[in-house]
Amino acid sequence: DADVTQTPRNRITKTGKRIMLECSQTKGHDRMYWYRQDPGLGLRLIYYSFDVKDINKGEISDGYSVSRQAQAKFSLSLESAIPNQTALYFCATSDSAGSYGYTFGSGTRLTVV
Amino acid sequence: AQSVAQPEDQVNVAEGNPLTVKCTYSVSGNPYLFWYVQYPNRGLQFLLKYITGDNLVKGSYGFEAEFNKSQTSFHLKKPSALVSDSALYFCAVRDGNTGGFKTIFGAGTRLFVKA
Repeated sequence: DADVTQTPRNRITKTGKRIMLECSQTKGHDRMYWYRQDPGLGLRLIYYSFDVKDINKGEISDGYSVSRQAQAKFSLSLESAIPNQTALYFCATSDSAGSYGYTFGSGTRLTVV
Repeated sequence: AQSVAQPEDQVNVAEGNPLTVKCTYSVSGNPYLFWYVQYPNRGLQFLLKYITGDNLVKGSYGFEAEFNKSQTSFHLKKPSALVSDSALYFCAVRDGNTGGFKTIFGAGTRLFVKA
């Protein structure tokens, strides 16, 4: 099993719909992140969580919300999807020191039509 | 503020030749530097890191990177490229002094190795 599992892998949704992307990890790490990847822009941080009770906005949090249901689970929601949220979304986890880099999931490709 | 630049959108190299993927960074404190690789339809995979110590760090799949403090660079290198090295490569930086969380990723460089 993968260390970080994201579901679904692919999703097409309509403008205005609410959608949830799920992430679970088996690394036992406290820190979890949601990133968005767009061509030519690299990865941009949407939200991050240092533990179940600590959730913080990243650089592009508008239009998104998150829930940390447990140490191992961190979900991302688009409350009302819009076409410019079409992107590849990655969940990642790291240990508290963060000096060992991130472990990423395989990503969710989201298309908003 | 932290930033990282990968000046080349794409690097083309023949199989068997050495490769270099460039990265420069800006951070106010001590840099923690990372390279990741992304294969098609996959997440990013950690390749190597520099935290402290020797300027030349070795990582997975025969890759290495050289930390150059004066030039604020952390170029990724491999002595002999393989076709299977073709992928998207990301450089990332974090400010180690602040103990903060924020890792900034470059825009990525696509490496194409021709047989």
